[in-house]
Amino acid sequence: RKEVEQDPGPFNVPEGATVAFNCTYSNSASQSFFWYRQDCRKEPKLLMSVYSSGNEDGRFTAQLNRASQYISLLIRDSKLSDSATYLCVVKWGSGSNYKLTFGKGTLLTVNP
Amino acid sequence: DGGITQSPKYLFRKEGQNVTLSCEQNLNHDAMYWYRQDPGQGLRLIYYSQIVNDFQKGDIAEGYSVSREKKESFPLTVTSAQKNPTAFYLCASSIEAGGWIEQFFGPGTRLTVL
Repeated sequence: RKEVEQDPGPFNVPEGATVAFNCTYSNSASQSFFWYRQDCRKEPKLLMSVYSSGNEDGRFTAQLNRASQYISLLIRDSKLSDSATYLCVVKWGSGSNYKLTFGKGTLLTVNP
Repeated sequence: DGGITQSPKYLFRKEGQNVTLSCEQNLNHDAMYWYRQDPGQGLRLIYYSQIVNDFQKGDIAEGYSVSREKKESFPLTVTSAQKNPTAFYLCASSIEAGGWIEQFFGPGTRLTVL
């Protein structure tokens, strides 16, 4: 099983649609989880951290299921500007001995 | 403005040549990282440094070298020993608070070996 695995995509949705991405991780000791957004030929940028209780930021909702070892990202009312690749990132380890692992990303295209 | 700068944005190199990619940050972050991204692939960690004068190999360190003589700077050298160096190289720095890590990325350098 890969350390971090994402929906392969691509996702093509119309404006206004709701879309959900899933990400599974193999290390049950993983501690912190993040979603990054990467525009075409640009650097990744932090979209949101994922808290144990789930968290929401405007149209974006992130959830964590530790028992099943997956995290999800829900985007409501999709905008054209949401078109990007979404990267799932998992951290394990503590103190100065930690590792961040990135998924391959899921490409989203929002169409007019 | 605080941030991470990488230069150059595009770099072309002939086979057999070493090349050094620059990464500078003024965020006062202790930790810095180098990643490589290939089409359709996730980011893969090359090297990272959590403190000045110390660095560790990541998952794909072979054919690369780094130095961390200053907190602000973490240059990456792609040596001729790297078999497939054409890729998008991303430098990052991070801040940690209560176990949460936020990484900030530079704009990247696209290296093409001719």
